Amino acid sequence: AQTIHQWPVAEIKAVGSPLSLGCTIKGKSSPNLYWYWQATGGTLQQLFYSITVGQVESVVQLNLSASRPKDDQFILSTEKLLLSHSGFYLCAWSLEQYEQYFGPGTRLTVL
Amino acid sequence: GDQVEQSPSALSLHEGTGSALRCNFTTTMRAVQWFQQNSRGSLINLFYLASGTKENGRLKSTFNSKESYSTLHIRDAQLEDSGTYFCAALSSSFSKLVFGQGTSLSVVP
Repeated sequence: AQTIHQWPVAEIKAVGSPLSLGCTIKGKSSPNLYWYWQATGGTLQQLFYSITVGQVESVVQLNLSASRPKDDQFILSTEKLLLSHSGFYLCAWSLEQYEQYFGPGTRLTVL
Repeated sequence: GDQVEQSPSALSLHEGTGSALRCNFTTTMRAVQWFQQNSRGSLINLFYLASGTKENGRLKSTFNSKESYSTLHIRDAQLEDSGTYFCAALSSSFSKLVFGQGTSLSVVP
């Protein structure tokens, strides 16, 4: 059974449109959660992390926001997409500050 | 800030041969992870080390926190080993995982 699920698998959106990406963790109690972004052909960059419900810390400012409405859910969003938001978004989890495990990712294309 | 320098950026191996990837860290890191990213983009966990050496099949990784580097050794390379390999270091800052630039590995017959 998959522990971490991301949705949607892929999105094609227009510049200026809103975005919401989701991540759900199953079978883990109170995990730390993370969002990462990867430009095509590039490396991964940590965007946000959360250690508990309702608490999110920003690591890099990319005109995005994140929320953790439930213990097992992490949401990445923006009200206005930019071309530079295109890329691959990955959610990850860990127990406390240890090994991180990644979800399958969402591929975003902004036109 | 925390930086991870990964080398080489690209590597081509013949089946059955081996090589090593290396990551150097600019600051003291608490632990290191190594991943393989496949063609779909999925990150596969290879190793997590807080110190020392771990081995798994044809892969072996070492983390030397005092000298600020980590290595990943691949031996007897197979076609399915092709992909991009990333090291990522866990910094002293809470939960921040800093990735290297990746090594694109191509295993050829």
